[in-house]
Amino acid sequence: QKEVEQDPGPLSVPEGAIVSLNCTYSNSAFQYFMWYRQYSRKGPELLMYTYSSGNKEDGRFTAQVDKSSKYISLFIRDSQPSDSATYLCAMSAIPDGSGNTGKLIFGQGTTLQVKP
Amino acid sequence: GAVVSQHPSWVICKSGTSVKIECRSLDFQATTMFWYRQFPKQSLMLMATSNEGSKATYEQGVEKDKFLINHASLTLSTLTVTSAHPEDSSFYICSATLTDSYNSPLHFGNGTRLTVT
Repeated sequence: QKEVEQDPGPLSVPEGAIVSLNCTYSNSAFQYFMWYRQYSRKGPELLMYTYSSGNKEDGRFTAQVDKSSKYISLFIRDSQPSDSATYLCAMSAIPDGSGNTGKLIFGQGTTLQVKP
Repeated sequence: GAVVSQHPSWVICKSGTSVKIECRSLDFQATTMFWYRQFPKQSLMLMATSNEGSKATYEQGVEKDKFLINHASLTLSTLTVTSAHPEDSSFYICSATLTDSYNSPLHFGNGTRLTVT
């Protein structure tokens, strides 16, 4: 079992739709959660960064973390064709000398296509 | 925001030759930089952690003699793929953090697409 599971998609939605992207994880020590957006042939761009459980909103983007369920989500409201990209979740734990190194662990990425 | 610049953006080389990729932090100093490799439709695979002024730390399975990393200054790390072979063809991406704190998020360069013929 991978530490971080993410449905690769592809996910295709019409313009204006609400998009829900999700990741599950197995390591209960993860406390720092990030979402990156990666356009084709480009490096990942940091979208959202959250610590522990809760919600964070930034414009059309909302990140949710449910540590009890080991589940994180990224919601995109009023999706636009320019949102078409691959979305990667990433997470890390505090280094503790017993296996957790503090390094970022990435999901496989979900490819999103928003059709005009 | 933090800007990480990577050069070249793409390179084609012949089998057996070496290729150098540069990664620069443009508006901040980075004592630590990270090198990733990404195959099509796959996630990022950490290759090594580059530490300014000391030897890089390589992940298990990554050949340190093949992927030479030099971090000579606080704003520049280089990755040299030595004696490249077609199986080394991939997308290489560097990243850096604004601080050395373990919870500081990564900022990525735009990647280098390497094709070995």
